[in-house]
Amino acid sequence: GNSVTQMEGPVTLSEEAFLTINCTYTATGYPSLFWYVQYPGEGLQLLLKATKADDKGSNKGFEATYRKETTSFHLEKGSVQVSDSAVYFCALSEVNKFYFGSGTKLNVKP
Amino acid sequence: DAGVTQSPTHLIKTRGQHVTLRCSPISGHKSVSWYQQVLGQGPQFIFQYYEKEERGRGNFPDRFSARQFPNYSSELNVNALLLGDSALYLCASSPGQGAGSPLHFGNGTRLTVT
Repeated sequence: GNSVTQMEGPVTLSEEAFLTINCTYTATGYPSLFWYVQYPGEGLQLLLKATKADDKGSNKGFEATYRKETTSFHLEKGSVQVSDSAVYFCALSEVNKFYFGSGTKLNVKP
Repeated sequence: DAGVTQSPTHLIKTRGQHVTLRCSPISGHKSVSWYQQVLGQGPQFIFQYYEKEERGRGNFPDRFSARQFPNYSSELNVNALLLGDSALYLCASSPGQGAGSPLHFGNGTRLTVT
């Protein structure tokens, strides 16, 4: 079946540090991959996506590359800000449904 | 443009009661999906509707039902509420139903069952 596994949090970083949040997936077909971000009290917001192998999604300084050989879609950012503090969800989509990881909470300290 | 809107934002119900949650998609979006998010976990798929027809159903009991109206808005109904139904219920819309079509989420309805 389909599933997403992402690193457990919380992840605590100082401002301007490098961020990596690991995400691996299991899929029966050829999924699209997504990263969503959830700020306190809000719904999920699309951060970036990739629809096929070797695609790189990017937005607001965040990047992730769809690696079929390692079934991974790790999220990276070169220099985090306090405003990036949130919960990040990796997800895959096949046909009509999305499968989400359990989320990784990021805390960025000034 | 208005995003996905959900109502109510918060709801408190007693075990055994029934609840109806409502969702209005982004204008032009024909697909609406419902997800349940328990505290500390990722959203779990409940239903997807496209063009007013059910196109997918997750692993939830028959107490959960939904429908989509001609204006593409949607309702999620839950009967015989259990304590375990306490969660954030998220509605999401998308222009189509393909795998590459991202979901646009509302802020959710926080349901508490006592």
